[in-house]
Amino acid sequence: QLQLQESGSGLVKPSQTLSLTCAVSGGSISSGGYSWSWIRQPPGKGLEWIGYIYHSGSTYYNPSLKSRVTILVDRSKNQFSLKLSSVTAADTAVYYCARGLGYYGHWGQGTLVTVSS
Amino acid sequence: DIQMTQSPSSLSGSVGDRVTITCQASQDIRKYLNWYQQKPGKAPKLLIYDASTLETGVPSRFSGSGSGTDFTFTISSLQPEDVATYYCQQYNNLPWTFGQGTKVEIK
Repeated sequence: QLQLQESGSGLVKPSQTLSLTCAVSGGSISSGGYSWSWIRQPPGKGLEWIGYIYHSGSTYYNPSLKSRVTILVDRSKNQFSLKLSSVTAADTAVYYCARGLGYYGHWGQGTLVTVSS
Repeated sequence: DIQMTQSPSSLSGSVGDRVTITCQASQDIRKYLNWYQQKPGKAPKLLIYDASTLETGVPSRFSGSGSGTDFTFTISSLQPEDVATYYCQQYNNLPWTFGQGTKVEIK
């Protein structure tokens, strides 16, 4: 059974870089065809798609965040990561990692990241 | 970006009621429309993909239809465990985008 688990800093200061990792178990991140994505949800609000990476390393980022986002894959550790730079309070959200084919059948449980000094 | 507009934003029904949510895309997305259920404090759960395909293990009271720009999600007989927020999501054009959500409650 595929499982995804987010980890990382829960509190980030404004202007700093948010860093999260998604550990994948029960399956290989190198299995073909799937994208590995980050999606976020500000408290009490809807879902925003951040971007994805394929096991090959190819990426696509939401243009609304593109200048600040980096998604990387570490095949040796079977995990992928998110870095979001120059954060503000507007980046406070629950961050989810997910595996998809355009639709997301597997999600992590989510991790709350708060941007505050 | 493709804008996804859900309606209504919230609804309340009795147990056993038929409940319908609509999702309209700002441009043609063919059949590439998914529906998720999200309960408080939990990750979204995929219910339907490609407009009408039921994800494995999802009860048959959930269904979806539509293509192009107009889509419908139906719960044929509302159950107490269906209390949640439901989201549509398109994946015809990058970036993938979600509707704003529809909160479903029991009267």
